[in-house]
Amino acid sequence: DGGITQSPKYLFRKEGQNVTLSCEQNLNHDAMYWYRQDPGQGLRLIYYSQIVNDFQKGDIAEGYSVSREKKESFPLTVTSAQKNPTAFYLCASSMGTGGVAYNEQFFGPGTRLTVL
Amino acid sequence: GEDVEQSLFLSVREGDSSVINCTYTDSSSTYLYWYKQEPGAGLQLLTYIFSNMDMKQDQRLTVLLNKKDKHLSLRIADTQTGDSAIYFCAESNGAHKAAGNKLTFGGGTRVLVKP
Repeated sequence: DGGITQSPKYLFRKEGQNVTLSCEQNLNHDAMYWYRQDPGQGLRLIYYSQIVNDFQKGDIAEGYSVSREKKESFPLTVTSAQKNPTAFYLCASSMGTGGVAYNEQFFGPGTRLTVL
Repeated sequence: GEDVEQSLFLSVREGDSSVINCTYTDSSSTYLYWYKQEPGAGLQLLTYIFSNMDMKQDQRLTVLLNKKDKHLSLRIADTQTGDSAIYFCAESNGAHKAAGNKLTFGGGTRVLVKP
């Protein structure tokens, strides 16, 4: 089955610790995205990557870092610099840009991070 | 920057029609999307509409687009309890290739279907 997996589903960390959220896709998609969702709010873009070894900051990149060493994987690290890291994190992927306007994003099931 | 607005909550009786509204500010929006999110899950694309269309129908779903007023709506006919979820409106601007076809999401409308 093709799809996007995120692990773990629930994650608890102590304040001041860095934590890395996993996102893997086997859809052969070029583009991948990380969003943050807070209760009662929409999705806000943290980082996105259009191709391997390249990524750009989204609207709320401060306190986060990413890497894109493989096409299938786009891990997100929530660093101790992120002031309010408790949230629901969603990863998505799409075929890519390539000048195509329609570009459906497929979402993973999400990781709920709670910082104690 | 772009902005997408939705009402927060909608309550509807089972069997009735639901109408979820969305407004956006980017006049260059190329595609507009409706996503559904069930509790504790990711988002699922329900339907989309290209900006040169004014209506799209897909089974129980009807999307209406008023490009002049920058208003988008999603009508769900014969609403079922399984339709209870959060519905997100989103827009993308295909002209901004460098932006990676980013989506701008509204805040979501929580739909509660009562038996």
